[in-house]
Amino acid sequence: DAKTTQPPSMDCAEGRAANLPCNHSTISGNEYVYWYRQIHSQGPQYIIHGLKNNETNEMASLIITEDRKSSTLILPHATLRDTAVYYCIVAPSNTGKLIFGQGTTLQVKP
Amino acid sequence: DTEVTQTPKHLVMGMTNKKSLKCEQHMGHRAMYWYKQKAKKPPELMFVYSYEKLSINESVPSRFSPECPNSSLLNLHLHALQPEDSALYLCASSQVDGYNEQFFGPGTRLTVL
Repeated sequence: DAKTTQPPSMDCAEGRAANLPCNHSTISGNEYVYWYRQIHSQGPQYIIHGLKNNETNEMASLIITEDRKSSTLILPHATLRDTAVYYCIVAPSNTGKLIFGQGTTLQVKP
Repeated sequence: DTEVTQTPKHLVMGMTNKKSLKCEQHMGHRAMYWYKQKAKKPPELMFVYSYEKLSINESVPSRFSPECPNSSLLNLHLHALQPEDSALYLCASSQVDGYNEQFFGPGTRLTVL
């Protein structure tokens, strides 16, 4: 079973920041937080991952709380093309076994 | 080339047919994966190949038979499927087994009649 809890859906205005929360209260010390997204009719796309420090790349930022029990994915300037299902996954770095939860459907509106 | 390709895009088959799904990557990745995704559900892992050897089988029924002929190619052979096997079949690859940054293909949408 997935070890994360995400809201089923969220809306965001185009051009604004989208903040997607994820709870992972049972995360273990060796588990990372991974974020993927799946745009309609496409395969999932890797976004970012982190262990305990905040991470940023060209797509997004990942903020992990100090106790590591929750995290937030931030899309700084959402566009219509960011409309997708966003999956938060916790897994050891060496597993290769991603267990997807139900995810959050993000709708970016004009 | 950072792409995983899958063929065919769509497949309709009867319960007595034998068909195969194909996945290809030219990124030099040594781990490849098959996932199954039912409508409005998240992807579920089926198989993992590492260096062309099967490393994980998530208790998948034997009517699904994976094959990894070389490091760039992954097949999924289908035989005697049931209508409930209708789903989107996704292939993914990663640098090595256990590396969780996986690159996914667009999937093959399978309908079993």
